[in-house]
Amino acid sequence: GAVVSQHPSRVICKSGTSVKIECRSLDFQATTMFWYRQFPKQSLMLMATSNEGSKATYEQGVEKDKFLINHASLTLSTLTVTSAHPEDSSFYICSAGSREKGTDTQYFGPGTRLTVL
Amino acid sequence: KNEVEQSPQNLTAQEGEFITINCSYSVGISALHWLQQHPGGGIVSLFMLSSGKKKHGRLIATINIQEKHSSLHITASHPRDSAVYICAARRIGADGLTFGKGTHLIIQP
Repeated sequence: GAVVSQHPSRVICKSGTSVKIECRSLDFQATTMFWYRQFPKQSLMLMATSNEGSKATYEQGVEKDKFLINHASLTLSTLTVTSAHPEDSSFYICSAGSREKGTDTQYFGPGTRLTVL
Repeated sequence: KNEVEQSPQNLTAQEGEFITINCSYSVGISALHWLQQHPGGGIVSLFMLSSGKKKHGRLIATINIQEKHSSLHITASHPRDSAVYICAARRIGADGLTFGKGTHLIIQP
């Protein structure tokens, strides 16, 4: 099966700092990457969709200036949480899809747990 | 009302029991996913369905498009099946998934 990695798996930062999370597809080209977030005891929520080489599409209520997404290559997408605050503490998960594997298939990364102090 | 509803929210069963988790959705979909999330948070994709039935080992997933309903079954359940099972729908015209709240399954030895 396809493998998607995320780095870091866990990060603790101070309020006001920025945190970058990387999502990589290791053995396939990810034409589309998705970023989700999950608050404790809540369902996963889609934050944004990014296609390689184009700007990300953000879901309603997600601030694009706060959650910067870059999908610079077919194997890497990054999510930067700028000026993080305690309410941004959450579990962030990426998933990747590719045309070669079928447009409906998504492969999930292991997630990044962000704690903002 | 959420677009994707799962039931039950929590389920505790004895090892060996037949398990059924239900998912109903209220929008038109192009695909429905069943996912498994372990305590550490990592997600494994179990099935992707657009019609009919799929089987993988002890897991069976079915979908009825007319009734907008899907079920995930686990036969001969085992403690290692303990996890959160999540139903997720891909709405027609959308790329990302809309998730149910998950079913927390505990299989006791």
